[in-house]
Amino acid sequence: DQQVKQNSPSLSVQEGRISILNCDYTNSMFDYFLWYKKYPAEGPTFLISISSIKDKNEDGRFTVFLNKSAKHLSLHIVPSQPGDSAVYFCAATGAFTGGGNKLTFGTGTQLKVEL
Amino acid sequence: NAGVTQTPKFRILKIGQSMTLQCAQDMNHNYMYWYRQDPGMGLKLIYYSVGAGITDKGEVPNGYNVSRSTTEDFPLRLELAAPSQTSVYFCASSYGGGNTGELFFGEGSRLTVL
Repeated sequence: DQQVKQNSPSLSVQEGRISILNCDYTNSMFDYFLWYKKYPAEGPTFLISISSIKDKNEDGRFTVFLNKSAKHLSLHIVPSQPGDSAVYFCAATGAFTGGGNKLTFGTGTQLKVEL
Repeated sequence: NAGVTQTPKFRILKIGQSMTLQCAQDMNHNYMYWYRQDPGMGLKLIYYSVGAGITDKGEVPNGYNVSRSTTEDFPLRLELAAPSQTSVYFCASSYGGGNTGELFFGEGSRLTVL
């Protein structure tokens, strides 16, 4: 039962354009959402997060949007740069998990930013 | 800053062998985690710890054991390795257990069981 879904395994975008990565979740008790970025042979690194009390959070070129009614979040990268080429994981958590900051991850989207 | 350090980075095991994946963090984090990532899949939580002496199961704990004798170290033990345990293992840590979100990950340990 995949509670966090990233239905696009890959995405290709031209440099300078907008990248939009999507994520859907099924468990309405998730109340905190995160995006992680992963380069090959490295561990994931935290990118940006959003609490369920907000619908948008922005950090530089990265913006995360949350639509609670649709159980959907998206990550926008503007403008996209070649260094953004990586796998992006969506993750979710909530108090119902019993603490310990346990994250449920999606399967990832491979972003390729082309020159 | 070393952050989260995992050893070994690569290992090949024969079926039935045992081994320990080491994880150490130097950030004085209370919370530590072990995840595994299979090809085309997201990371799945194996075990986690909220402090020295306290551990608990995650989503996929079968075939693994952990211990947490110090704040810094969180080794993962594989007993009787099976091909299904072929995966990339990531250790992570975080300061708190609330919705702080930010887990710090090690570089991963790639394990193959033949």
